[in-house]
Amino acid sequence: AQSVAQPEDQVNVAEGNPLTVKCTYSVSGNPYLFWYVQYPNRGLQFLLKYITGDNLVKGSYGFEAEFNKSQTSFHLKKPSALVSDSALYFCAVRTNDYKLSFGAGTTVTVRA
Amino acid sequence: NAGVMQNPRHLVRRRGQEARLRCSPMKGHSHVYWYRQLPEEGLKFMVYLQKENIIDESGMPKERFSAEFPKEGPSILRIQQVVRGDSAAYFCASSPGTDQPQHFGDGTRLSIL
Repeated sequence: AQSVAQPEDQVNVAEGNPLTVKCTYSVSGNPYLFWYVQYPNRGLQFLLKYITGDNLVKGSYGFEAEFNKSQTSFHLKKPSALVSDSALYFCAVRTNDYKLSFGAGTTVTVRA
Repeated sequence: NAGVMQNPRHLVRRRGQEARLRCSPMKGHSHVYWYRQLPEEGLKFMVYLQKENIIDESGMPKERFSAEFPKEGPSILRIQQVVRGDSAAYFCASSPGTDQPQHFGDGTRLSIL
């Protein structure tokens, strides 16, 4: 079965420091991977996706993600975090032509 | 360009009542997906619909839950005879095609008294 795992429930960083949110995947075949962010009482906002091509994918709001096939990882990164990046982040894999399977989420807190 | 619109944002029902959740996809999107988010959990797929067709309802509970996406009007997720365990946030997403990212609404938070 296609699935993703987010090993960290919470990530805390100081503003201006690099931010990394981890995600590992387990898929058969080529993975279609996504990152979404959820702010309180809001829906999920699409950040970026990996289908094929460059292993470094650039997305919205200065985020990027690195696809690593040997480590089966798709970590989300931002070089310099902002307080406004504090939110809940979800990694997801497309399990067939349309169905998304989400990780449990990682709560990011960026302190001023 | 309005995003995915869900209403109501909050819905309170007593056990045994019916809950109707509405979702209007983004303009130009003909694919609609419903997900459920239980407290402290990620989103779980429920159903995928196109206009007038249910394509995949493998994530829907077998009883009390139904979904539709009529030719005209919003998609409806209907829960009959609600129970406490139905309390959750229900999110709708839409896309222009299955190979495009899904865009999510702000959800309906259902509370069962």
